[in-house]
Amino acid sequence: AQSVTQLGSHVSVSEGALVLLRCNYSSSVPPYLFWYVQYPNQGLQLLLKYTTGATLVKGINGFEAEFKKSETSFHLTKPSAHMSDAAEYFCAVSGSGGYNKLIFGAGTRLAVHP
Amino acid sequence: DVKVTQSSRYLVKRTGEKVFLECVQDMDHENMFWYRQDPGLGLRLIYFSYDVKMKEKGDIPEGYSVSREKKERFSLILESASTNQTSMYLCASSPTGMGTDTQYFGPGTRLTVL
Repeated sequence: AQSVTQLGSHVSVSEGALVLLRCNYSSSVPPYLFWYVQYPNQGLQLLLKYTTGATLVKGINGFEAEFKKSETSFHLTKPSAHMSDAAEYFCAVSGSGGYNKLIFGAGTRLAVHP
Repeated sequence: DVKVTQSSRYLVKRTGEKVFLECVQDMDHENMFWYRQDPGLGLRLIYFSYDVKMKEKGDIPEGYSVSREKKERFSLILESASTNQTSMYLCASSPTGMGTDTQYFGPGTRLTVL
């Protein structure tokens, strides 16, 4: 069965500091991996996704993630945090059962301090 | 831009009431999904639909049913609401059932069952 583990339910950084949100997955088939962001009182929106090809994926708002098969990881990074990055971030893997079902991690809430 | 709308942002119901949550997408997407979001648990799939009148159970279908009579509309029904169904409900749609597809989310309905 597929699963996603996000390490750290809460992460706090200073404005301008590196953001690193960790995601490890388990999958018996080549995975498709996603990062979604949820701003307060909103639905989720896609930050970036890995399907095939280049393992370093760039997304919106300066975020990027690297697919590392050997480590079964897909960590999300941003070189310099903005106050506007404060949100909840979800890592997800596309399920092996077809129909584009997503399996989500528990989420990481990012706080950015001045 | 894809738009997914949900009928209510906030809803308060009594135990035992029948509750309808409505979701509409405007991009002719094939697949639609209902998730519930609870702190520390991420998003869990309740039901999804891959075509009109077609539906499949997700990971937590107990206590819920769904209806898809038109392609753009996907309804979640709580036959007899209970307090443990107090949660945030998110609807999503995707163009096809391919695992690489992005899912597009509505803003969510926060349901409280008293």
